[in-house]
Amino acid sequence: ILNVEQSPQSLHVQEGDSTNFTCSFPSSNFYALHWYRWETAKSPEALFVMTLNGDEKKKGRISATLNTKEGYSYLYIKGSQPEDSATYLCAFYNTDKLIFGTGTRLQVFP
Amino acid sequence: EPEVTQTPSHQVTQMGQEVILRCVPISNHLYFYWYRQILGQKVEFLVSFYNNEISEKSEIFDDQFSVERPDGSNFTLKIRSTKLEDSAMYFCASSKGGLGNNEQFFGPGTRLTVL
Repeated sequence: ILNVEQSPQSLHVQEGDSTNFTCSFPSSNFYALHWYRWETAKSPEALFVMTLNGDEKKKGRISATLNTKEGYSYLYIKGSQPEDSATYLCAFYNTDKLIFGTGTRLQVFP
Repeated sequence: EPEVTQTPSHQVTQMGQEVILRCVPISNHLYFYWYRQILGQKVEFLVSFYNNEISEKSEIFDDQFSVERPDGSNFTLKIRSTKLEDSAMYFCASSKGGLGNNEQFFGPGTRLTVL
């Protein structure tokens, strides 16, 4: 059974703090890893699709790195803002399906 | 900006009844998916659909479930005889290409409550 784990489960930070969280996935038969941001009462929104070992992607203040050999990806948020409050999901791509982690719920306080 | 839409937003049904959840994917997308999230649990893959046929399905997607793309725009999920444990948020998604290197776009979800 393929398992995707995310940590921490939840995180509370002050506005302006930088933060990061982890996604662990199977290191064998890797094809792609997806990151999503999911705000309450909205749909999950794609952040990154990561495919290559050592990949580093950036969108504004959010960036992600990928290590396929050891099976983890980090998501970083620099200078967190209240609007970054959301659940961040990672998902491992395997034969036409995504296997999701439980998500990290981020709360940014003003 | 184009988006995936789903109807209804909330469906309440009695156990044993059939339900059809509807989705309109983004118009130039070729791959379509259904997921569900039972309250407090992970988002779970149900089925992927490409070129008018199922390309992958999970163990959850048993004979009670079926999908259809009846008219080139809608993508439906049918549950023939609902059970209490089918209560969940159901998400439709679509992508231009395979998820090996393409983003997936989610709809807002249909909350299904089975009584």
